[in-house]
Amino acid sequence: EDQVTQSPEALRLQEGESSSLNCSYTVSGLRGLFWYRQDPGKGPEFLFTLYSAGEEKEKERLKATLTKKESFLHITAPKPEDSATYLCAVQGQDGDYKLSFGAGTTVTVRA
Amino acid sequence: GAGVSQSPSNKVTEKGKDVELRCDPISGHTALYWYRQSLGQGLEFLIYFQGNSAPDKSGLPSDRFSAERTGGSVSTLTIQRTQQEDSAVYLCASSKGPTGELFFGEGSRLTVL
Repeated sequence: EDQVTQSPEALRLQEGESSSLNCSYTVSGLRGLFWYRQDPGKGPEFLFTLYSAGEEKEKERLKATLTKKESFLHITAPKPEDSATYLCAVQGQDGDYKLSFGAGTTVTVRA
Repeated sequence: GAGVSQSPSNKVTEKGKDVELRCDPISGHTALYWYRQSLGQGLEFLIYFQGNSAPDKSGLPSDRFSAERTGGSVSTLTIQRTQQEDSAVYLCASSKGPTGELFFGEGSRLTVL
């Protein structure tokens, strides 16, 4: 069974204070690793897909990286609008297409 | 808009009643997923539909839960004889295929009293 563990559970940052979120995963062959952002009362919003170790993706102040065991989401010089819960998910190669999600990291950025 | 639409947005029911939750996916999306999110918890997979293939029902927690997708479009998740532990936000998502890039609706919040 695919497993995803995210840390920390919560992160409080000052505006401009860069930091990283961790996503550790166990999967029998990785089809893809995904990052989503979820605002309160909303459904998750897709951010990135990573397929293989060494791959990196960037979007504005966010950069996602991938190794064979974990992924990091780096937030550079965050702004209050970056406050959200960030979810990591994996899709395995074992024939089904469901995504297994972690519990998320809730990021709060203070002005 | 052209996003995933879910209804109702909120549902309060009494223990033992049946409920139906509806999902209208993005037009042209062949894959449709149902997930459940309890307070402070991650997303729990329930069921997956892809085109005309048999659905993956491996995440349904009990035989009180069922789902169907008519005409490859609209989906209904039915919970029979609701229990208090069924209280959660039920999220629907669609995608162009089994890509992992899911478009989620805003969810249906179910409260069982």
